[in-house]
Amino acid sequence: QVQLVQSGGEVKKPGASVKVSCKTSGYTFNGYYINWVRQAPGQGLEWLGRIHPNDGATNYGRRFQGRITVTRDTSTGTSYLQLDSLRSDDTAVYYCARMKIARFCGGGICYSSAIDSWGQGTLVIVSS
Amino acid sequence: DIQMTQSPSTLSASVGDRVTITCRANETIDGFLSWYQQKPGTAPKALIYGASNLQSGVPSRFSGSGSGTDFTLTITSLQPEDFATYYCQQSYSTQYTFGQGTKLEI
Repeated sequence: QVQLVQSGGEVKKPGASVKVSCKTSGYTFNGYYINWVRQAPGQGLEWLGRIHPNDGATNYGRRFQGRITVTRDTSTGTSYLQLDSLRSDDTAVYYCARMKIARFCGGGICYSSAIDSWGQGTLVIVSS
Repeated sequence: DIQMTQSPSTLSASVGDRVTITCRANETIDGFLSWYQQKPGTAPKALIYGASNLQSGVPSRFSGSGSGTDFTLTITSLQPEDFATYYCQQSYSTQYTFGQGTKLEI
């Protein structure tokens, strides 16, 4: 079955970097974007960025431009999120999640699939 | 960035009720709208994609509608397991965004 398994929790000091991994299995890696989404304690979902599995092209949320890097290793089906210059408000659960690359059109509208499978989440705590 | 605004932020309902949550984009997103359910301590679960397509395995009491800028998620005959937080998300642009969430409580 489809699985996205993330690395364990991290505690970091302000100004440090964190790197979270997401190992996928049970599906064709090349067919799905890997997205990264976070959720601060008691808050909503925030999209950080995504990577195209084939060419490694990335898109990042404007708030994170300059301090986020998402990469992938196609040989192992693993994606990595690195976030630099950590601040206390980066404390959150970080999720990786897959989304089918294809877009569809029908009935006069176009659409894409949903983010349909999620990792278990990785808690990153930023504290001095 | 495309801004997604959900209403209401909190919704009180009872088992058996029919409820509707709305999501509005500040510019057109065609049908690039998904809905998710999240329960405390767990990852979100996809309910609807393409504004109105039911994700595999999701009960038919969930339905979505809309296109362009205005969208709705409707749950008919609420079940106890439906009390959760619901999010909309646009994938029209290459900068995805989520709504702020709607907490459905008893």
